[in-house]
Amino acid sequence: DAKTTQPNSMESNEEEPVHLPCNHSTISGTDYIHWYRQLPSQGPEYVIHGLTSNVNNRMASLAIAEDRKSSTLILHRATLRDAAVYYCIPRGASGSRLTFGEGTQLTVNP
Amino acid sequence: DTEVTQTPKHLVMGMTNKKSLKCEQHMGHRAMYWYKQKAKKPPELMFVYSYEKLSINESVPSRFSPECPNSSLLNLHLHALQPEDSALYLCASSLLPGLAGEIPPHIAKNIQYFGAGTRLSVL
Repeated sequence: DAKTTQPNSMESNEEEPVHLPCNHSTISGTDYIHWYRQLPSQGPEYVIHGLTSNVNNRMASLAIAEDRKSSTLILHRATLRDAAVYYCIPRGASGSRLTFGEGTQLTVNP
Repeated sequence: DTEVTQTPKHLVMGMTNKKSLKCEQHMGHRAMYWYKQKAKKPPELMFVYSYEKLSINESVPSRFSPECPNSSLLNLHLHALQPEDSALYLCASSLLPGLAGEIPPHIAKNIQYFGAGTRLSVL
């Protein structure tokens, strides 16, 4: 599985945009980039995934670098409920496992 | 319904006890997973069941014994645990297991849905 590097922690203010970076320089050409988050006292939940093109859904946007060695998860207007640990996960060829890195702890200030 | 239900939410057991963790989903998913999460650390995969058969065991000690009685249920039987086994145990499910080789688009979307976990304390 490709190794990922994410900041240990980030802070944002409520209703401001948040850009969460992830480096995955060893990603293979067939790996999709998945993002999950884990709210306090809950299991992880899926946020978004992509391969090459930028992706949007109701939760977030995913911007993928042209060389695919990095990606950025964008929360357009952070809310207090977005405070969580965010995990960037390249999905390997087997497709069955999720290998979680240390993730980024996002704090949202009121 | 995208819910994975885990019971109990909390469990305290002694090192000589036998207990079981339960996980249930009714989404028609054919892959189910057990993860272990220590405090302030990311989840770590323990077992994967594909079509009710054990497909991945991440070298987990035999004091953890998984069981998949049917496509909706996943159990984790615990026996003779150690204090260092205290952790949050997470169950997850996904529509289909992974496949070797290039990932078809529907597998790439193979989202895992997690339960809230069972917080286990071994005394």
